[in-house]
Amino acid sequence: DVKVTQSSRYLVKRTGEKVFLECVQDMDHENMFWYRQDPGLGLRLIYFSYDVKMKEKGDIPEGYSVSREKKERFSLILESASTNQTSMYLCASTTGVETQYFGPGTRLLVL
Amino acid sequence: ILNVEQSPQSLHVQEGDSTNFTCSFPSSNFYALHWYRWETAKSPEALFVMTLNGDEKKKGRISATLNTKEGYSYLYIKGSQPEDSATYLCAFLRGTALIFGKGTTLSVSS
Repeated sequence: DVKVTQSSRYLVKRTGEKVFLECVQDMDHENMFWYRQDPGLGLRLIYFSYDVKMKEKGDIPEGYSVSREKKERFSLILESASTNQTSMYLCASTTGVETQYFGPGTRLLVL
Repeated sequence: ILNVEQSPQSLHVQEGDSTNFTCSFPSSNFYALHWYRWETAKSPEALFVMTLNGDEKKKGRISATLNTKEGYSYLYIKGSQPEDSATYLCAFLRGTALIFGKGTTLSVSS
């Protein structure tokens, strides 16, 4: 079974803190994605990566950066967390353009 | 930004009812349309990946059709059960990334 894990299920941070969300997949997938999910807005793409050290902006990259140093790991970084980044963050991976496999999500609260 | 629209936003049915939802997407530059089911406290899980106009896919009581020329897909659930309660997401493939609709939330009462 494909497994996508995320470092935390719940996280509480303060405004201005630097926040790291980590995602690891065990299926040697080339492509990895970070989404956020907000009520009434659905899943929105923040960033994705199609190879090690490669990244592409999604639809809402502002306030975020990413890192992909190893194929299996894709990190989302909030350089200076703000309250409007309180959300559910989901990581996904896939090979090519096939089915995406999602992690369990991280619910982040920024106070 | 491409728009992927889903309707209805939410739906409440009785056990045994059959139901269907709609996903509308841009009909130009079509590559694939995905359907996912997202149950509360779980990860979204893939139902179907559809690529050809006229495609029909089936998994148990759930089936989906695709019309790429007019830009819509239908998801059907026959004989809904309480365990079908979830949010159903469709997503349009843009390059390597998926653009998701806001989902249809189905609630099935026993």
